[in-house]
Amino acid sequence: EVQLVESGGGLVQPGGSLRLSCEVSGFTLSYYWMHWVRQAPGKGLEWVSFIHTDGTTTRYGDSVKGRFSISRDTAKNTLFLQMNTLRAEDTAVYYCVRDGGNVGFDYWGQGTLVTVSS
Amino acid sequence: EIVLTQSPATLSLSPGERATLSCGASQSINNYLAWYQQKPGQAPRLLIFDASNRATGIPARFSGSGSGTDFTLTISNLEPEDFAVYYCQQRSNWPYTFGQGTKLEIK
Repeated sequence: EVQLVESGGGLVQPGGSLRLSCEVSGFTLSYYWMHWVRQAPGKGLEWVSFIHTDGTTTRYGDSVKGRFSISRDTAKNTLFLQMNTLRAEDTAVYYCVRDGGNVGFDYWGQGTLVTVSS
Repeated sequence: EIVLTQSPATLSLSPGERATLSCGASQSINNYLAWYQQKPGQAPRLLIFDASNRATGIPARFSGSGSGTDFTLTISNLEPEDFAVYYCQQRSNWPYTFGQGTKLEIK
């Protein structure tokens, strides 16, 4: 059974940092593109970041470019999102998502809430 | 960035009726469009990929159509569990983008 379990969310002050983790099971992390997608309270979905199967090719949304960094540890089957210089507008539920290729975003984690506030 | 515009913002229908949701792209995305369903407190669920292909386990009452810039998600014979928010998403160009969502509510 495919599972994605995020952790690491919480309350952080503006300007602070947080690292999200996503432990996956039921599939091999290195075989799939992976993404982070976020959803601000009461708002829609926003794509945040992507990592290729090669582990080095990454992309970021304009709103997080230069502040967030995606990475993975294939030995631990874990995806990460390092978030620096956090802003109030980064407050959201962050979802870890598997990219099934042409089938789209086929598996999602349950999400982890990040709240940026003083 | 490709902008996806969904309409209507809210759709009020009764169980048993047919729902038609639209998604328009600011430029051609071929058929690289997916639809997701999200219920309160839950993660989104993949319904349709490549504009018209149902994902695994999705009931036949869900169907997708369109190509280029205009896409439609049709839900025939609405069931009570279908009332939710629906998002379209394109994977033609980076950054991948989502529409703003259509809320399907019970009339």
